[in-house]
Amino acid sequence: GENVEQHPSTLSVQEGDSAVIKCTYSDSASNYFPWYKQELGKRPQLIINIRSNVGEKKDQRIAVTLNKTAKHFSLHITETQPEDSAVYFCAASRANQGGKLIFGQGTELSVKP
Amino acid sequence: DSGVTQTPKHLITATGQRVTLRCSPRSGDLSVYWYQQSLDQGLQFLIQYYNGEERAKGNILERFSAQQFPDLHSELNLSSLELGDSALYFCASSLGAEAFFGQGTRLTVV
Repeated sequence: GENVEQHPSTLSVQEGDSAVIKCTYSDSASNYFPWYKQELGKRPQLIINIRSNVGEKKDQRIAVTLNKTAKHFSLHITETQPEDSAVYFCAASRANQGGKLIFGQGTELSVKP
Repeated sequence: DSGVTQTPKHLITATGQRVTLRCSPRSGDLSVYWYQQSLDQGLQFLIQYYNGEERAKGNILERFSAQQFPDLHSELNLSSLELGDSALYFCASSLGAEAFFGQGTRLTVV
């Protein structure tokens, strides 16, 4: 069945360093890959997404890359700040079919000042 | 504010009881999704509705059911509640690919 694997489960970095979170999806028909940030007890918030016709997308300190052949996609956060500390979830879906989002297990990012 | 409204925010109930969680999607969104998030767990997909029809089903227990009404709001019904059903239940809505989440309902079964 559809599955998304996410690594690492926890990540601790020093303020100003970069953080990278990686995901692998199983459904080759997936074509939409969003990333959500969830602070403790709050709703997941969409921070960036990428579609299968694009290999890379950047928004200020955040970038996502997609390798369709390998079915891998990654989130890169540069110049990390303490407020980046949260749980990050990747997801995959067949967007053009109104598909459901299948989420990875989440990465707890801790940015130490 | 995502524009997705969930009520109630908190719910405490006893084992064996039945509860109903409500979700109002963003204006114009046709799809509603329900997710369960247990303590320290990820987001488990339960069910999706699109314009009133069930579109996809995940690992939703038979004790759970949902529906989407003509005004597009959705309800998730949880019955014969067990301690293990305690979790955050999120609703999300979308028109196209981008899904936006409500603030969740925290269900505690005692």
